[in-house]
Amino acid sequence: GAVVSQHPSRVICKSGTSVKIECRSLDFQATTMFWYRQFPKKSLMLMATSNEGSKATYEQGVEKDKFLINHASLTLSTLTVTSAHPEDSSFYICSARAGTFYEQYFGPGTRLTVT
Amino acid sequence: LAKTTQPISMDSYEGQEVNITCSHNNIATNDYITWYQQFPSQGPRFIIQGYKTKVTNEVASLFIPADRKSSTLSLPRVSLSDTAVYYCLVGDGVGFQKLVFGTGTRLLVSP
Repeated sequence: GAVVSQHPSRVICKSGTSVKIECRSLDFQATTMFWYRQFPKKSLMLMATSNEGSKATYEQGVEKDKFLINHASLTLSTLTVTSAHPEDSSFYICSARAGTFYEQYFGPGTRLTVT
Repeated sequence: LAKTTQPISMDSYEGQEVNITCSHNNIATNDYITWYQQFPSQGPRFIIQGYKTKVTNEVASLFIPADRKSSTLSLPRVSLSDTAVYYCLVGDGVGFQKLVFGTGTRLLVSP
């Protein structure tokens, strides 16, 4: 099946700094990518949807100025957590969808810890 | 978006068949039903997808009654490695643009 990678898999940063997470579709072109956040023992929460070359659409309650999403190419989307705080510590997962496929392929996730 | 309801948790033993039922009373005509599996600290993995009746692949079967208001994921002869959280999702009816995850079912398989 299609492969989606994320980098880094784990990151620790200090409060107030920014951190960028990359999501790549390795063997297909992703017209749409999604970003989720997951707290321990909780379900995935959709944060935003991004289409290549256009601005991301954020879910209600997600601060677009804090979670910057860029989908510059058909194989790469980035999520930048700006001015991170300890409450931003979470598991961030991206997914990618190709064309008219109904399946979404998920990345392995990135564990962010803000100290 | 159609909301889904699943049991919070289920327990089983190795070698048994496990059936996880999901309710989606407000499913729309264009919606598909998809099941994902998630292990701790990993992204969800696609298991199976269907629209109506029965779908089977090498991993599972999906049973969908005629009214499509529920669906049942069937895992034959589970093993310890099937311990995971299973999510039932229903598409938003517009090209399946975004997936909204419910609580999922935490399956624990014991020896």
